[in-house]
Amino acid sequence: DTEVTQTPKHLVMGMTNKKSLKCEQHMGHRAMYWYKQKAKKPPELMFVYSYEKLSINESVPSRFSPECPNSSLLNLHLHALQPEDSALYLCASSQGRRELRNEQFFGPGTRLTVL
Amino acid sequence: QQPVQSPQAVILREGEDAVINCSSSKALYSVHWYRQKHGEAPVFLMILLKGGEQKGHEKISASFNEKKQQSSLYLTASQLSYSGTYFCGTRKGETSGSRLTFGEGTQLTVNP
Repeated sequence: DTEVTQTPKHLVMGMTNKKSLKCEQHMGHRAMYWYKQKAKKPPELMFVYSYEKLSINESVPSRFSPECPNSSLLNLHLHALQPEDSALYLCASSQGRRELRNEQFFGPGTRLTVL
Repeated sequence: QQPVQSPQAVILREGEDAVINCSSSKALYSVHWYRQKHGEAPVFLMILLKGGEQKGHEKISASFNEKKQQSSLYLTASQLSYSGTYFCGTRKGETSGSRLTFGEGTQLTVNP
């Protein structure tokens, strides 16, 4: 299985809502990532988990809260978002070991719209 | 620091060749190339590592000039399926926890 899955595919939420994005991989990867991508822009790193521990937080506002319950799952909890947070949220994973081949496998993303 | 890609966009006819460049002002450990089609996830194409090793797609080649911190992606005999936005990503460290920073992308269109 060489797939990263993300749910939901689309999400529309109000500024007072609380929602969560889910990401799953069964490749045995130990590093998982959240990226935010605006239209016609590159993916922008938000968080990195390495062996289920948060290793990088790119100064993301606290209204985004990541969680890694186990090595296969990654969640992104959303609360009190702003319209400018509307974007494609991509999850990715990589092997995580100290080795040369560290390509990242991306999921299809969740298209988030904040009203 | 974000790598710089050029050109921003290129339009080809099927069968033509293209080169996409990626450069950084900082010393790099690796350069990664991805292609993203509209509405889809980025797909891994190639990784080039400090020291010359490279892994990736059979039909796509790339180079990494460590002295100049530049990489080029060579697309030969282009096919319609090559259309998409190509991103280079650069890493300064060798652990998966180090940041992969993407360039702004090169939009490639292959016409019949």
